[in-house]
Amino acid sequence: DSGVTQTPKHLITATGQRVTLRCSPRSGDLSVYWYQQSLDQGLQFLIQYYNGEERAKGNILERFSAQQFPDLHSELNLSSLELGDSALYFCASSVDVGANYGYTFGSGTRLTVV
Amino acid sequence: SQKIEQNSEALNIQEGKTATLTCNYTNYSPAYLQWYRQDPGRGPVFLLLIRENEKEKRKERLKVTFDTTLKQSLFHITASQPADSATYLCALDGDSGYALNFGKGTSLLVTP
Repeated sequence: DSGVTQTPKHLITATGQRVTLRCSPRSGDLSVYWYQQSLDQGLQFLIQYYNGEERAKGNILERFSAQQFPDLHSELNLSSLELGDSALYFCASSVDVGANYGYTFGSGTRLTVV
Repeated sequence: SQKIEQNSEALNIQEGKTATLTCNYTNYSPAYLQWYRQDPGRGPVFLLLIRENEKEKRKERLKVTFDTTLKQSLFHITASQPADSATYLCALDGDSGYALNFGKGTSLLVTP
């Protein structure tokens, strides 16, 4: 157990639907990062939050949004889902805002859009 | 934009040998470079971090070098074991200075 909790582990949904992925960071970590991993693209950075505020954005689609709550857990919302959104979605946390500490990753949510 | 290149071909080596994986990057000068291990279907696990002013870092059987002139990092696993078989990812701090950008990884297979 890495200390980062992601739910659900698996999600199967239809095109056009909306889903919410949840992440609880490791105790004491203030930064939460969301990554998408597909076979051909590797790990793609989506978005980062630090202590409740958005700090960095990567290749996140407009159909996707995220937030970090006062208790530091984060949610990633994916809407108008397409077949190409099928992927592993990872959440990671770190103690600081930058890359000067290693990240702790969760076990991921496998999203399948049918 | 920043580009991170890792050998897409799998590396097969015999148990007990040293495995060396390469990470090259372009269009950026990172302050930090990190290496992760990822097993199939699982989240990456942090292994080592090296700063731009450090040439080399060691941790047990692992060694990382960082050459900012060549824009390259080498990751070594000495006395490799079958349990070291996994995909190894290189990551750099991004253009924004915050989140890590990852390479696609190199698969390592250590055979007995």
